[in-house]
Amino acid sequence: GIQVEQSPPDLILQEGANSTLRCNFSDSVNNLQWFHQNPWGQLINLFYIPSGTKQNGRLSATTVATERYSLLYISSSQTTDSGVYFCAAHRLSGNTPLVFGKGTRLSVIA
Amino acid sequence: GAVVSQHPSWVICKSGTSVKIECRSLDFQATTMFWYRQFPKQSLMLMATSNEGSKATYEQGVEKDKFLINHASLTLSTLTVTSAHPEDSSFYICSASGYSGGINEQFFGPGTRLTVL
Repeated sequence: GIQVEQSPPDLILQEGANSTLRCNFSDSVNNLQWFHQNPWGQLINLFYIPSGTKQNGRLSATTVATERYSLLYISSSQTTDSGVYFCAAHRLSGNTPLVFGKGTRLSVIA
Repeated sequence: GAVVSQHPSWVICKSGTSVKIECRSLDFQATTMFWYRQFPKQSLMLMATSNEGSKATYEQGVEKDKFLINHASLTLSTLTVTSAHPEDSSFYICSASGYSGGINEQFFGPGTRLTVL
């Protein structure tokens, strides 16, 4: 099956700083999603992005499918951005379960 | 986006008892739902794929007799942890795929935290 690797595993930022999280995947993908898991465990959908670039407020994401990686950008970070960011993907179409990376644990300090 | 609910959000039970967790897609129909388990400070691990009207497909190493899955309708899947033991304590999360505009995006429930004493 597909392998998903994320880096860095941990990241500490000062409030207001920018960051880039990376996700590498081992095969071509039909679905790639970024999630933020909040302190209560809820997974929040950030982006559905098997290819291309999307932006939503202070967050943006880019997936370069031919080179098998995706990047999540966080600008002007806030303490509420803290939590774990997961990248998940699968290579098949249809109702196929996502394979998760190990996540990046982000701590934003005031 | 689509909404997936889970109930209960947390449960504490004695060793040997069974616990049922419900997963519902509130505003869309889901022929397929997925069950994941997450241990502290770890990633989500797929347990099984739940198919409406048919048997679930379990991942290698997941005991199907211990983790009973029933997908009774297009909006409801249940996971029953039978004869729970302390090692079954974990965070259980379900997800469902929603089709919209040609995109098949997965949405996750809020999770159920199970503690077995």
